[in-house]
Amino acid sequence: GPKVLQIPSHQIIDMGQMVTLNCDPVSNHLYFYWYKQILGQQMEFLVNFYNGKVMEKSKLFKDQFSVERPDGSYFTLKIQPTALEDSAVYFCASSFGVGNTLYFGEGSRLIVV
Amino acid sequence: GDSVTQTEGPVTVSESESLIINCTYSATSIAYPNLFWYVRYPGEGLQLLLKVITAGQKGSSRGFEATYNKETTSFHLQKASVQESDSAVYYCALGDPGGNAGAKLTFGGGTRLTVRP
Repeated sequence: GPKVLQIPSHQIIDMGQMVTLNCDPVSNHLYFYWYKQILGQQMEFLVNFYNGKVMEKSKLFKDQFSVERPDGSYFTLKIQPTALEDSAVYFCASSFGVGNTLYFGEGSRLIVV
Repeated sequence: GDSVTQTEGPVTVSESESLIINCTYSATSIAYPNLFWYVRYPGEGLQLLLKVITAGQKGSSRGFEATYNKETTSFHLQKASVQESDSAVYYCALGDPGGNAGAKLTFGGGTRLTVRP
């Protein structure tokens, strides 16, 4: 079936540094999402993105977070600067339209030390 | 806010036994949410198992079934006879069908299922 690819699968980074998580969504999909799952907790919605704009974001989407998809390439989540509480697995997802099935990547595990 | 509560794992059953994973939801901001079961097999990404958008209807896939019960706000996942290949983590989720910003989902905490051969 359709695949969403995430790069990197794992990253360890020093607190205060910048990190970019990359997502290659399903090719004809138009909506893109990031979810965050802290170890032992539920997966939670961060943000969704359509037509070059953030459509909705949760309270977890701090000012240090940003998303973009320049020129239809990777959909990225950037955290600058990182904090210890940003350690989590970040899942990217995409869908063709509103109400359509979300397809998820395998996640990027971020460890901030 | 909206929330989903499901059976806490891990759950271990033997092959060919029946299975039920409970899921209840609270949708304070959505009158008629869409309900989903997603599954993550070892080494793979989260994938949709089944989806039901109408209260009272049943969804089924790969031998699994779940019925959207609006009265009890439940969406329990059942299978009559599990196989070792069903070992995975199962997530119940709800979504807002009226959202115009994509399909934001609220997930339960996941239930890890291990099926013994």
